[in-house]
Amino acid sequence: EAQVTQNPRYLITVTGKKLTVTCSQNMNHEYMSWYRQDPGLGLRQIYYSMNVEVTDKGDVPEGYKVSRKEKRNFPLILESPSPNQTSLYFCASTDRVNSPLHFGNGTRLTVT
Amino acid sequence: KQEVTQIPAALSVPEGENLVLNCSFTDSAIYNLQWFRQDPGKGLTSLLLIQSSQREQTSGRLNASLDKSSGRSTLYIAASQPGDSATYLCAPYAGKSTFGDGTTLTVKP
Repeated sequence: EAQVTQNPRYLITVTGKKLTVTCSQNMNHEYMSWYRQDPGLGLRQIYYSMNVEVTDKGDVPEGYKVSRKEKRNFPLILESPSPNQTSLYFCASTDRVNSPLHFGNGTRLTVT
Repeated sequence: KQEVTQIPAALSVPEGENLVLNCSFTDSAIYNLQWFRQDPGKGLTSLLLIQSSQREQTSGRLNASLDKSSGRSTLYIAASQPGDSATYLCAPYAGKSTFGDGTTLTVKP
């Protein structure tokens, strides 16, 4: 089944403890992206990647890192999480401009 | 900077009604526009994608139209069902996708 898989689905952590949210797609898509969704602010793009080893900042990249060492994986790294990074995070992928964007089921992160 | 507005923010209708969800965007230089459905606590599911050269797309009971010059798109849902209850988001794409806040639809049996 074609899908974007995020792990974990739920994560509670403390301020400053490094964490990684994984994202994997099995559709051989070149483009992958991370978003966060917050009430009243909608979905905002954090980082995106047009292909392997190519990543760019989105609208809200501060406090996040990404890597794209292989086509299928696009992990999101929070080196020193803070409470304002408490949010619902989504990974998405697509293969070209005029193709649908496929989303993972989300990761709900709480930073205390 | 692209800004996307969806009206209404919430809508409650009885089962069987036809309804229209509206999406407006400020930058008309888009490649395509996508409509998504989001169920509570879940990810977004793509419903329809309209390319900039198209005026509308249909899938089952759903029909989406695009008027790029005026910066508007509508999603028409025919014969609504309780299973259609969800939040619907539009996202014009112009190098990146910009999302509206969505319309939360409740269809009552």
